[in-house]
Amino acid sequence: NAGVMQNPRHLVRRRGQEARLRCSPMKGHSHVYWYRQLPEEGLKFMVYLQKENIIDESGMPKERFSAEFPKEGPSILRIQQVVRGDSAAYFCASSTGDKGIQYFGAGTRLSVL
Amino acid sequence: QQQVKQSPQSLIVQKGGISIINCAYENTAFDYFPWYQQFPGKGPALLIAIRPDVSEKKEGRFTISFNKSAKQFSLHIMDSQPGDSATYFCAAQRQSNTGKLIFGQGTTLQVKP
Repeated sequence: NAGVMQNPRHLVRRRGQEARLRCSPMKGHSHVYWYRQLPEEGLKFMVYLQKENIIDESGMPKERFSAEFPKEGPSILRIQQVVRGDSAAYFCASSTGDKGIQYFGAGTRLSVL
Repeated sequence: QQQVKQSPQSLIVQKGGISIINCAYENTAFDYFPWYQQFPGKGPALLIAIRPDVSEKKEGRFTISFNKSAKQFSLHIMDSQPGDSATYFCAAQRQSNTGKLIFGQGTTLQVKP
C-alpha cells in the first residue's frame, strides 16, 4: 500500500511564476491536509480538504494561494506569483477522517529565485 | 490560544542516555497529543500519541508523560541510540474540530555514539 505521494519533490520557480504542488493521498483516504514548514520552524497548518470541498482554510494566506481536491485525481496546492518568502517545504497529509491519524508525504521543497 | 511551545530547540545525548523533550499548550480544548519524528529530507512520521485522560503512555523505548493540570506533556526516549537522531515535533489536535494539527517548533536530537 503506497503512502502519501507528493510531487515534485523539488521545485524551483522564479519570482512571479506559478507553483503547483500535487498530493495523492493514501489509498482509502479522502481527507487531505496541507502544511508549510519554513526553515528552522515547525509545520504550520494551511488547509484541510475533503473530496471536492474545502473544510478549513484558516491557515491559507489570503492572496495568491489556493487548494483543491477534485473528485478524481490528486489534491493541488497552487501558489500564484511566487515571492521569495514562499520558499519552504510543503507537506501533505492524508487521513480517513478528521479524527484519524494523519500520514505525511515526503514533501515538496519549493525554492523561489 | 492555538500555540504549542516546545523545548529545547536542540539536544545532544550520549548513546544509552535519556532524551527528554517538553511541550506546553494553552488551549484546553485540545484532546489529542501526538509526537512526530522527522528525518532529513523526509516527512514527519507518527511516533506515539496520548489523550488527556491518560497520564502516561509507553511504547518500547518511547514514553509520553502528560500533566493535564499544568497543560504540559513530554517525550522521553530511553536508551537513546544514534538512529534516534532526528527532529521531533510535538503537536496538539482538537478532534472535535477539523482535526488540524498545531505543531511545536521542533527539537533536533543528536545521539552521540
